[in-house]
Amino acid sequence: GDSVTQMEGPVTLSEEAFLTINCTYTATGYPSLFWYVQYPGEGLQLLLKATKADDKGSNKGFEATYRKETTSFHLEKGSVQVSDSAVYFCALSDAGANNLFFGTGTRLTVIP
Amino acid sequence: DTGVSQDPRHKITKRGQNVTFRCDPISEHNRLYWYRQTLGQGPEFLTYFQNEAQLEKSRLLSDRFSAERPKGSFSTLEIQRTEQGDSAMYLCASSLVGQYNEQFFGPGTRLTVL
Repeated sequence: GDSVTQMEGPVTLSEEAFLTINCTYTATGYPSLFWYVQYPGEGLQLLLKATKADDKGSNKGFEATYRKETTSFHLEKGSVQVSDSAVYFCALSDAGANNLFFGTGTRLTVIP
Repeated sequence: DTGVSQDPRHKITKRGQNVTFRCDPISEHNRLYWYRQTLGQGPEFLTYFQNEAQLEKSRLLSDRFSAERPKGSFSTLEIQRTEQGDSAMYLCASSLVGQYNEQFFGPGTRLTVL
């Protein structure tokens, strides 16, 4: 069945450090891939998406590339800020499914 | 504000009571989803509607859970005879058919069962 495996957290970085959060997936078809972010006390927000192989999603300095050969969708940011502290969720939507499958989330804390 | 809204934001109830949550989707969205999120986990899909039709409900956690979307606009999720294990965040999301299933989430209703 469909599933998402995320890098375990929590992750603590200093401001301006480079961020990578790993995400790999298992899907029966050709899924769309998403990163959602949940800031403290707020709901899930769509951060970026990619709908086909080799697509790169980007938003707010974050990027992720849909790698079909490695079934991965790793999230990266070149220079994190304190305001990026949040929980990040990788998710997929298989073409045959109508719901999202989420990873367990990775908590990021950025310290000044 | 044209985002997804949920009411109430918090609900505390005693074991055995019934609770009902409401979700108002983005107005032009025809799909509406319910998820449950427990501490330290990602959201878990429960059910979804396309307009007023409930197209998937096999993932509802037990027969104590039910959902409706009578006019294809807002939706309600009811839990009967609540148990302590029902304590969680209940999330609603909406989307447009054909938009790669890009879902927009509400703030959630946090349920605590004492």
